[in-house]
Parts: sequence; C-alpha cells; structure tokens
Amino acid sequence: GENVEQHPSTLSVQEGDSAVIKCTYSDSASNYFPWYKQELGKRPQLIIDIRSNVGEKKDQRIAVTLNKTAKHFSLHITETQPEDSAVYFCAASRRDSSASKIIFGSGTRLSIRP
Amino acid sequence: GAGVSQSPSNKVTEKGKDVELRCDPISGHTALYWYRQRLGQGLEFLIYFQGNSAPDKSGLPSDRFSAERTGESVSTLTIQRTQQEDSAVYLCASSFWLQSSGNTIYFGEGSWLTVV
Repeated sequence: GENVEQHPSTLSVQEGDSAVIKCTYSDSASNYFPWYKQELGKRPQLIIDIRSNVGEKKDQRIAVTLNKTAKHFSLHITETQPEDSAVYFCAASRRDSSASKIIFGSGTRLSIRP
Repeated sequence: GAGVSQSPSNKVTEKGKDVELRCDPISGHTALYWYRQRLGQGLEFLIYFQGNSAPDKSGLPSDRFSAERTGESVSTLTIQRTQQEDSAVYLCASSFWLQSSGNTIYFGEGSWLTVV
C-alpha cells in the first residue's frame, strides 16, 4: 500500500542555522504534499504544502521542494528560531481523487539549540 | 463550526471500562479521520470515512476498537474493555476535497485518554 518515509526522526540544530527534513513516497499518483507542525501538547497544523505541478514553494523562512521523478520532497527551514522547535510531519495524497486517503510520515522532532 | 471539535478533551477511565470519544467535523467536510498518538510518538492511523463510501478500517488495532459516522456529520470512536496501552491522545481530523485545493486536513484538539 501507500507509504511515506520521513528522515531524520530527530534533528538538533543551532539557532540561526538551517534545518532540512526529507520524505519519500511510494504512490506515484500522489500529487499533493502538505507539511504539518505539531508543538508540544498541541494539534498538528498545516504550515505549507506543494502540488506536483511545481518544484518549489517558499513562505518566508520555510520552503518545500519536490522531485517527482525520485518521489522525494523536503522541508527547508532557514534562520531557525526557538519557536521552530516542534515535531514536523510530511504527508502525501492524490489531489485528483476524493477517495484518496492522506498518508503521513512518522515525524521529525526538531530541536533548536540556543 | 469554526473548527473540528472533540469531546471529551480529557478522560480518565478504569481498565476494562468502555469509552466513547466524539468528533464533530467542520461543517461540509466529507472526509473524517481518527488517529492515535501515544506520548512522544507519531500519528497512528485508525480509520477513514469519506462520504458514503465504506470506511477504511485498516488501522484499527483490534476488535475492541470501532467507529461510526452518520452521513457527513458526527463520528464516535468506541474503545471496549480498555487496556493501559490504550492511553493516548485520540485525534480527529476532517477535510473537504476540492480539485483546486486538494484535501488539506484540519485536526481537532484531541481527546486525552488515560486508562488506570
């Protein structure tokens, strides 16, 4: 069945440095890739998403890249700040099918060192 | 409503008792998901409802777990004969599929279940 793998499971970076989280997906028909951020004790919330008709999308310090051929997509956070500390989940689904279930990766716990 | 609403927000129950968790999705959302999240762990898929289609129950961990949804409204997750390993946050999420926007899902605050 469909699968999304996410790496690394934990990541610690110095404040101000960049962080990169990578995901791969198995269903070649997937064309919608959202990223969710879950702060401690809170619900996961969408922070950015990308559709398969583009290779990159940016929103301030956050960017997501997509390589459809390799079935890889990545989250890039630049100039990290303490408030970026959280668990990040990638996901994949098919935008052209109302019956498509969204599949989540296993999560990355990001810690920002002061 | 303005968001996905879940109740109760916290539940402490004795081992062996049954519990019911309720999810009220965003109005008009056709898809509804239940996830389990143990402390410090990822999102464990339980069940998926989409419109009038048969639900995807492939994530339910045992026959003690069941869920229902009436039409495109409220869903109830029932755990029978609770065990200590059932202690977790149970998250509900809903989405409205649009070809133009995909199926972004929105999570509720979760129901924190503790089995003692």
